[in-house]
Amino acid sequence: DAKTTQPNSMESNEEEPVHLPCNHSTISGTDYIHWYRQLPSQGPEYVIHGLTSNVNNRMASLAIAEDRKSSTLILHRATLRDAAVYYCILRSQGTGNQFYFGTGTSLTVIP
Amino acid sequence: DAMVIQNPRYQVTQFGKPVTLSCSQTLNHNVMYWYQQKSSQAPKLLFHYYDKDFNNEADTPDNFQSRRPNTSFCFLDIRSPGLGDAAMYLCATSGSGGSYNEQFFGPGTRLTVL
Repeated sequence: DAKTTQPNSMESNEEEPVHLPCNHSTISGTDYIHWYRQLPSQGPEYVIHGLTSNVNNRMASLAIAEDRKSSTLILHRATLRDAAVYYCILRSQGTGNQFYFGTGTSLTVIP
Repeated sequence: DAMVIQNPRYQVTQFGKPVTLSCSQTLNHNVMYWYQQKSSQAPKLLFHYYDKDFNNEADTPDNFQSRRPNTSFCFLDIRSPGLGDAAMYLCATSGSGGSYNEQFFGPGTRLTVL
């Protein structure tokens, strides 16, 4: 599976938007882009995923660059409960469902 | 609620003493995974079961074994725990049909090796 690069940490003020970047310059045409997050003392949880088009759900939005070599997870209004480590993961369609986590970004939300 | 359950949440064992961690699921998913997560690191996939087919990651030590007696249960056996095996162990499940299958994680078992 292709590798992802994320900043180690980011900070955001509460109720402001947060843009979490991910670089995946070696992405292949069949790789899906996934985002999971891990709150303190919990297992990771699904946030969003996409292939080529931007995606929105109740938790977040995913903006995918036109060349697909980068993507951005957008939290529209950060809350204290959004403080977590956010993982950007690539997985090839048609392979097993295994995930190989990158280092992730630790998001701090400031009240 | 359908969920992934891990017992116990905290496990203490002695150096070299075999230990078994348990995972059960009510989601009826056919794929189950075990991850190891050391402090301040990302989860690392150890192995997974696709139904009864066991798939080991190439760099998973032989000290780690797994059993899946039925769809609902999966066990992680550490035959001779070393100090370096102290970590959070995460179990996850997913389906296998369709173009995407979200992974559902349990809360983890934190293993301490004395």
